[in-house]
Amino acid sequence: QVVLTQSPSASASLGASVKLTCTLTSGHSGYAIAWHQQQPEKGPRFLMNVNRDGSHSKGDGIPDRFSGSSSGAERYLTVSSLQSEDEADYYCQTWGIDTVVFGGGTKLTVL
Amino acid sequence: EVQLLESGGGLVQPGGSLRLSCAASGFTFKNFAMSWVRQAPGKGLEWVSAISDGGGAYYADSVKGRVTISRDNSKKTLYLQMNSLRAEDTAVYYCAKEADGDYVLEYWGQGTLVTVSS
Repeated sequence: QVVLTQSPSASASLGASVKLTCTLTSGHSGYAIAWHQQQPEKGPRFLMNVNRDGSHSKGDGIPDRFSGSSSGAERYLTVSSLQSEDEADYYCQTWGIDTVVFGGGTKLTVL
Repeated sequence: EVQLLESGGGLVQPGGSLRLSCAASGFTFKNFAMSWVRQAPGKGLEWVSAISDGGGAYYADSVKGRVTISRDNSKKTLYLQMNSLRAEDTAVYYCAKEADGDYVLEYWGQGTLVTVSS
């Protein structure tokens, strides 16, 4: 069973960049994942999916400030030129046989 | 524009039942798999169930045997029948549309709150 691991929290200054990490369990390093953003008191929003080769495909209306990449069993979400509205919880998601799996989420604070 | 609108949440006693609905628009509903995902207060996202475009159903172990997912393609509506509800089922329940060909949840609803309490 695939498991996704995320750091519970991250922080960066307004206008800076931050890179969030989602780590796949050993044996599942080839899996693609999706990133979702959840702003306070709102439902989740799909940001992008990230493949094992680092290619990514963004959802509708997602700004260019959001990008994805990959290295081994790690999948990344980079947010550049941080804005106050980027302060949110970020979840990675993947899928196994007849199941969908979420990481525990990273709470991003914009300082 | 894809829209997903959940309804049916509310307060229910332990052991009770509830049926959630998700009205879909803006895409050809019958062609896509759909999922239910929940979020307990202050917690992360937890996948609950999915149904393929062909009607195949899948469940998380935490709800297996107590929950039934279904869809009515003529009404463009997704359902989640929940029985034998427990306090730990208290959560906001979201429906989500899966992308074509994989299990990426590419559109989400705004959620409906289910509270299980006496």
